[in-house]
Amino acid sequence: GQQVMQIPQYQHVQEGEDFTTYCNSSTTLSNIQWYKQRPGGHPVFLIQLVKSGEVKKQKRLTFQFGEAKKNSSLHITATQTTDVGTYFCAGRVDSNYQLIWGAGTKLIIKP
Amino acid sequence: DSGVTQTPKHLITATGQRVTLRCSPRSGDLSVYWYQQSLDQGLQFLIQYYNGEERAKGNILERFSAQQFPDLHSELNLSSLELGDSALYFCASSVAPSSGYEQYFGPGTRLTVT
Repeated sequence: GQQVMQIPQYQHVQEGEDFTTYCNSSTTLSNIQWYKQRPGGHPVFLIQLVKSGEVKKQKRLTFQFGEAKKNSSLHITATQTTDVGTYFCAGRVDSNYQLIWGAGTKLIIKP
Repeated sequence: DSGVTQTPKHLITATGQRVTLRCSPRSGDLSVYWYQQSLDQGLQFLIQYYNGEERAKGNILERFSAQQFPDLHSELNLSSLELGDSALYFCASSVAPSSGYEQYFGPGTRLTVT
C-alpha cells in the first residue's frame, strides 16, 4: 500500500545544534503537510508544500519538497527547547485525496 | 486553541465495556477525522466524515464505529474494549471533503482500559 516513511524515529541534539527529519513516499504526492506535536499536546499544522522543488522558511525552520514530489524534509537551525516535540509529515495522494501520515520524528534536547 | 473540542478529556473504563467519545469541529468545518495514538506512537487514521456522510475509512476495528450528526458534531463509539485500546483519541476537522487540506486537531481524549 501507499506509505510515507519518516526518519529518524528519534533525534537527540544539544541545544543549538541543527535537526533534520526526512519523509519519503512510495508514490508521487500532490502536496505534503508538516505538523508538530508538543509533549502532552495535539498535532498543530505548520505548513503545506505543493510545488515540485518548493522551499519554505518559517524563522529557523526550513521545509523542502523534492523535485519528484516523493520526498520532503524539515530542517531546524540552532534548536531551542521550544522546538521539543514530535514532527509529523503527511502527504496527500491524488488517487484518493487522503493524507498518508509518517510515523513522526521525536526531537529531544539533551540536558 | 484550535477551535475543535473533544469530551471527555479522560476516560477510564474496564475491559468489555463500551464508551462514546464526542467531537465538535471548528465552526464552518464540514469534515471530521478520528485518529488513534498509542503511547509514543504515530497517528493512526480511523475514519472520516464529511457533512454527515462517511468519506474514508482507515484502520478502524469492527468494534469501533462513528457517526456525524446534522449539527456536524461527531461521536466515536468503542465497544468490547480491550487493554490494547488504551490510547489517545484525536478528532480533527477541516473545511474540505478530502483530507489533503490543513487539519485542526482537538485536545484529545485519553482512554484507559483496565
